[in-house]
Amino acid sequence: DAGVIQSPRHEVTEMGQEVTLRCKPISGHNSLFWYRQTMMRGLELLIYFNNNVPIDDSGMPEDRFSAKMPNASFSTLKIQPSEPRDSAVYFCASSESNQPQHFGDGTRLSIL
Amino acid sequence: GEDVEQSLFLSVREGDSSVINCTYTDSSSTYLYWYKQEPGAGLQLLTYIFSNMDMKQDQRLTVLLNKKDKHLSLRIADTQTGDSAIYFCAESTGSSNTGKLIFGQGTTLQVKP
Repeated sequence: DAGVIQSPRHEVTEMGQEVTLRCKPISGHNSLFWYRQTMMRGLELLIYFNNNVPIDDSGMPEDRFSAKMPNASFSTLKIQPSEPRDSAVYFCASSESNQPQHFGDGTRLSIL
Repeated sequence: GEDVEQSLFLSVREGDSSVINCTYTDSSSTYLYWYKQEPGAGLQLLTYIFSNMDMKQDQRLTVLLNKKDKHLSLRIADTQTGDSAIYFCAESTGSSNTGKLIFGQGTTLQVKP
């Protein structure tokens, strides 16, 4: 079975640029989660969706971050404008009702 | 607020047992999880336990839950070099298994040959 698919795997860009991270959840899963992982702060939940609807975005750091889920098989996390402190590994995870979350391999983002 | 604490580092010899400990604060947590992260990879679900259970065993893995003390442990029997990774403890918040997870900071397990 295909797991959670994230793209790109690596992204290097200059500060001020727009960054778009993409996620395809496991087919049939109805919940999708975006996390950020850094050495300093560990794993942080940014936002999660249930049936394509954002449920909790309290972890989104600031207005530069936005996330969408236009359909059940695709989600994006956008940072505009990007800053060096946004450098981190961003994970997407999905789950179906009453089942554990499954993670993608992450996008390693470096903002210069 | 909710918090999950783990020790940061554990070193064992190949063939020994490893025990990774975790404490949590949310007494209403319904599920508790162990995830494994290898370098450059995402988090892989190892096992999870429902809060009304004391123990769960799955091959070389044994999870013990002390709900009174809010303490969770993961025992890996016959630890192998391939078990070297970061292990995350996580608790669910709320009654659903699809809600928010609170992760510990991760325990780096080093297995020496």
